[in-house]
Amino acid sequence: GNSVTQMEGPVTLSEEAFLTINCTYTATGYPSLFWYVQYPGEGLQLLLKATKADDKGSNKGFEATYRKETTSFHLEKGSVQVSDSAVYFCALVPGNRDDKIIFGKGTRLHILP
Amino acid sequence: ETGVTQSPTHLIKTRGQQVTLRCSSQSGHNTVSWYQQALGQGPQFIFQYYREEENGRGNFPPRFSGLQFPNYSSELNVNALELDDSALYLCASSLLTSGSNEQFFGPGTRLTVL
Repeated sequence: GNSVTQMEGPVTLSEEAFLTINCTYTATGYPSLFWYVQYPGEGLQLLLKATKADDKGSNKGFEATYRKETTSFHLEKGSVQVSDSAVYFCALVPGNRDDKIIFGKGTRLHILP
Repeated sequence: ETGVTQSPTHLIKTRGQQVTLRCSSQSGHNTVSWYQQALGQGPQFIFQYYREEENGRGNFPPRFSGLQFPNYSSELNVNALELDDSALYLCASSLLTSGSNEQFFGPGTRLTVL
């Protein structure tokens, strides 16, 4: 089946620290991979995506590379800000005309000033 | 361009009652998907509607039902509410025929069942 596993939080970092949130997936086909962000009291926003192996998604200083050989899509940012505090969800869409999104459980990120 | 909107924002019901949640899709989109997000969890797919027909369903019982209207807006109905139905219900719209699988989410309806 299809599933997503991401590191459990909360993750607490100081401002300007380097961020990595690990994500691995299991999929039967060739999925598209996503990172969504949920700020306090808000809905989900797409942060970045990658649709095929070796693609790199990037947005707002965040990056993630679709690694088929390790079935991973780790989220990274070189220098986090207090405003990055949120819950981050790794997700996949299986493809093959099935576009329901399968989410990980989420990782809460706290950035201290 | 109007984004995805949901109503109401918050709702409190008691066990056994029925509830209807509403979603207006983004302009130009023809598909609506519903997700349930329990506290501290990732969203779980409930079902999807495309051109007024159910187009896929997750592992939810039949008391979760939906509708899509000709203007592509949608309703989620839940009968015989249970305490575990307390969650944030998210609606997402997309253009299924575009070749892109990006879905755009609304702010959600927070349902509390007492």
